[in-house]
Amino acid sequence: QKEVEQNSGPLSVPEGAIASLNCTYSDRGSQSFFWYRQYSGKSPELIMSIYSNGDKEDGRFTAQLNKASQYVSLLIRDSQPSDSATYLCAAPNAGNNRKLIWGLGTSLAVNP
Amino acid sequence: GAGVSQSPSNKVTEKGKDVELRCDPISGHTALYWYRQSLGQGLEFLIYFQGNSAPDKSGLPSDRFSAERTGGSVSTLTIQRTQQEDSAVYLCASSLTGAKGLVEQYFGPGTRLTVT
Repeated sequence: QKEVEQNSGPLSVPEGAIASLNCTYSDRGSQSFFWYRQYSGKSPELIMSIYSNGDKEDGRFTAQLNKASQYVSLLIRDSQPSDSATYLCAAPNAGNNRKLIWGLGTSLAVNP
Repeated sequence: GAGVSQSPSNKVTEKGKDVELRCDPISGHTALYWYRQSLGQGLEFLIYFQGNSAPDKSGLPSDRFSAERTGGSVSTLTIQRTQQEDSAVYLCASSLTGAKGLVEQYFGPGTRLTVT
C-alpha cells in the first residue's frame, strides 16, 4: 500500500514564528511532491511543488525534499494568522505518474 | 486566466434521486480528476481522464457512480439513486501533461452535495 503520511496536528505556533510541516512517503519511485493549503470550507490550493533534493523557496514558503529519507517538509516563515489552514502533502503514484497519493493533512493554527 | 469551474456549488437532493455534477477544467489541461471529501476527511480519488485514453475508474465507490468527459473538456459526474452516505464535497481538478509527467493539479471550488 503506497502511502503519504502527515501528523494530523493541530500544530500551533505564535504569529511571526516558523511553522514546520512534515510528510513522509512510502513510494521510493515518487519523483515530485506537492504542498496544498486548504482553508476550512474551501478547496485545496497549490502552494509549492518540488522535484529535486534540497530546498526550494517561494516567498515565505520553503519546501525541503530528502529522497533518501523519503521525507518532504514545508517551512512557513513569519507565520501569519491567515496561514491557519490544513496543509496537504501529495506525491505521484510512481506506477502512474498522473495520479496523486494524498496525505490526510496537518492542521496549522497561527496564534496572534 | 479562468480557473476550474464547477456547478452547482450546492446541491440538496432526496435519497434515491439522480444528480449530475459538472466540471469545466482550465483550458488546455488534458487531465481531469474527480475527488470526494467528506466532512473532516481526506481527499478520496474517484476517477481521472487523460486525453483520449480510457479513464481510470478505480476510485469509483459503486456502480451508481459514473463520469464522462466530452470533447476532452467538460466532465459530468453522475450519481444514480443517491444515498445519504454520498453526502460530501465533490472536487474537480485539472492538470497539464508535461514531458516529465508533472502533475500539479488545480482545483475547482467544489460542489457540496447533501442527500436528505
